[in-house]
Amino acid sequence: LAKTTQPISMDSYEGQEVNITCSHNNIATNDYITWYQQFPSQGPRFIIQGYKTKVTNEVASLFIPADRKSSTLSLPRVSLSDTAVYYCLVGARGYQKVTFGTGTKLQVIP
Amino acid sequence: GAVVSQHPSWVICKSGTSVKIECRSLDFQATTMFWYRQFPKQSLMLMATSNEGSKATYEQGVEKDKFLINHASLTLSTLTVTSAHPEDSSFYICSARGPLGTEAFFGQGTRLTVV
Repeated sequence: LAKTTQPISMDSYEGQEVNITCSHNNIATNDYITWYQQFPSQGPRFIIQGYKTKVTNEVASLFIPADRKSSTLSLPRVSLSDTAVYYCLVGARGYQKVTFGTGTKLQVIP
Repeated sequence: GAVVSQHPSWVICKSGTSVKIECRSLDFQATTMFWYRQFPKQSLMLMATSNEGSKATYEQGVEKDKFLINHASLTLSTLTVTSAHPEDSSFYICSARGPLGTEAFFGQGTRLTVV
């Protein structure tokens, strides 16, 4: 699986848009990019998945440039409940392994 | 979305005893499930891949005789921590590939404390 690099931590005020960038320089042609959210003492929760350009759902947007060597998770108007660790994963659909990097700890400040 | 249920949510056991953790896919069949361990303030570490009807594949450094995995049906995988010791205390999480095979769904995790 492609190795990913994310910032260790980020702080944001409530109501702001938060962008978390993930680098994956050796992404393979058939790899997808998936983001998960994890609260303390809970299992990770799927947020969004994409292959190229832009994907949007009810909770987030995912921006992927043409070279696909990075991706940005965008969380609109964060609230305190968005304080969590966010993981970026890269792998083929139906991948045999789901391995996690260090993740980004997002702290939302009132 | 697909639901993966893990049981128990937490367990405390005495050193030397064995503990079984169950992972169920509630509304879909999961031919492949994954088991992770997570220590405080660390990322998830993949322990093994569990395939229905066959032996699990363990990651390097994970003792297969200590962490017994059984995937006897398409909706259930179990992890048994045998002869548990305090250093086995951790947060154990399972996941299953969803019905479309495009993403993984995770259980809520099991907090194991060995005293």
